[in-house]
Amino acid sequence: EDQVTQSPEALRLQEGESSSLNCSYTVSGLRGLFWYRQDPGKGPEFLFTLYSAGEEKEKERLKATLTKKESFLHITAPKPEDSATYLCAVMNSGYSTLTFGKGTMLLVSP
Amino acid sequence: KAGVTQTPRYLIKTRGQQVTLSCSPISGHRSVSWYQQTPGQGLQFLFEYFSETQRNKGNFPGRFSGRQFSNSRSEMNVSTLELGDSALYLCASSSGPQKDEQYFGPGTRLTVT
Repeated sequence: EDQVTQSPEALRLQEGESSSLNCSYTVSGLRGLFWYRQDPGKGPEFLFTLYSAGEEKEKERLKATLTKKESFLHITAPKPEDSATYLCAVMNSGYSTLTFGKGTMLLVSP
Repeated sequence: KAGVTQTPRYLIKTRGQQVTLSCSPISGHRSVSWYQQTPGQGLQFLFEYFSETQRNKGNFPGRFSGRQFSNSRSEMNVSTLELGDSALYLCASSSGPQKDEQYFGPGTRLTVT
């Protein structure tokens, strides 16, 4: 059974204070690892797809990296508008469904 | 390009009733997946449809069902509602099976009383 564990559950940062969110996964065959951002009352918003260990992708203040067992979402100099829940998900190579972690709730204070 | 739309956005039902939720995917997308999101369990996969065929099904009771129409629009139905069915139901579309990125709609908030 595919499993995704995210840590920490919640993270409070000051504006400009960089940090990382962790996503550990077990999957029989990884097709891809996905990061989403979810704001309260809204659906998840797609951020990144990572396919193989060593791959990195960046978007504004966010950078996602992938190893064979985990992924990190690095947030550099965050702003209050980065406050959201960040979700990690894996897609098994055998089927096209997503298995999600429970998310990290990020709060960035001005 | 318009995003995924879901109707209704909010719904209040009584135990024992049934409910139908609707999802219109992004234009040109033929794969639709449904997820249930609750505070305790997070996002859990319900089912996936492609070209009117159910391709995958999650671990939910038979009270949860769905279908997809020839225009790729999808509906899901929950019969004999239970209190535990209260959740945010999310629909996601992608251009095809294993076409990785799934784009989510805003969800339907279902409250069962």
